[in-house]
Amino acid sequence: AQSVTQLDSQVPVFEEAPVELRCNYSSSVSVYLFWYVQYPNQGLQLLLKYLSGSTLVESINGFEAEFNKSQTSFHLRKPSVHISDTAEYFCAVSLNSGGYQKVTFGTGTKLQVIP
Amino acid sequence: NAGVTQTPKFQVLKTGQSMTLQCAQDMNHNSMYWYRQDPGMGLRLIYYSASEGTTDKGEVPNGYNVSRLNKREFSLRLESAAPSQTSVYFCASSAGTSTEAFFGQGTRLTVV
Repeated sequence: AQSVTQLDSQVPVFEEAPVELRCNYSSSVSVYLFWYVQYPNQGLQLLLKYLSGSTLVESINGFEAEFNKSQTSFHLRKPSVHISDTAEYFCAVSLNSGGYQKVTFGTGTKLQVIP
Repeated sequence: NAGVTQTPKFQVLKTGQSMTLQCAQDMNHNSMYWYRQDPGMGLRLIYYSASEGTTDKGEVPNGYNVSRLNKREFSLRLESAAPSQTSVYFCASSAGTSTEAFFGQGTRLTVV
């Protein structure tokens, strides 16, 4: 069985400060890794994903995540946050299970950017 | 592009009432999903449909039924609503096993 752990339920950070949102996963097989963002009263949107290749992946709005196989982690980082980054962030793992994409989500981390 | 469309956006039900949540996608995706989102619990899979004509139970299927009407549409039915089903419901779709899921805007359901 696969599982995802996001230890921090809330992360307050001042504007322009760096942030790291932690994600650890467990799985007995290779997985695909995703970060989704949810703005208030909206659905989830893909932020970035790791499928294979380079372990460092980047989004168009300055976030990056690094896949670390030995530590089974996929932490999300941004060197300087903006007010507009205030949202809830979900880490997810996906694997092929009987022909369908079995996706497991973490419990989410609320990022609060303080002016 | 509409993407994934859910209706309704909000609904209040009395205990014991029934209703159907509708979902449609226009991206020609094979797989569709229904999740519920509750505070502190992330998203939990209710039912999924790997392809047209197939449906399977997810993590929390009790009290729900689904229908994959065609490739575009995947509905979720509550036959006899209970207060424990108060939640935000999301429909999602994906093209394949290594691709991301696309989500609808959600349905906020309150059962009183």
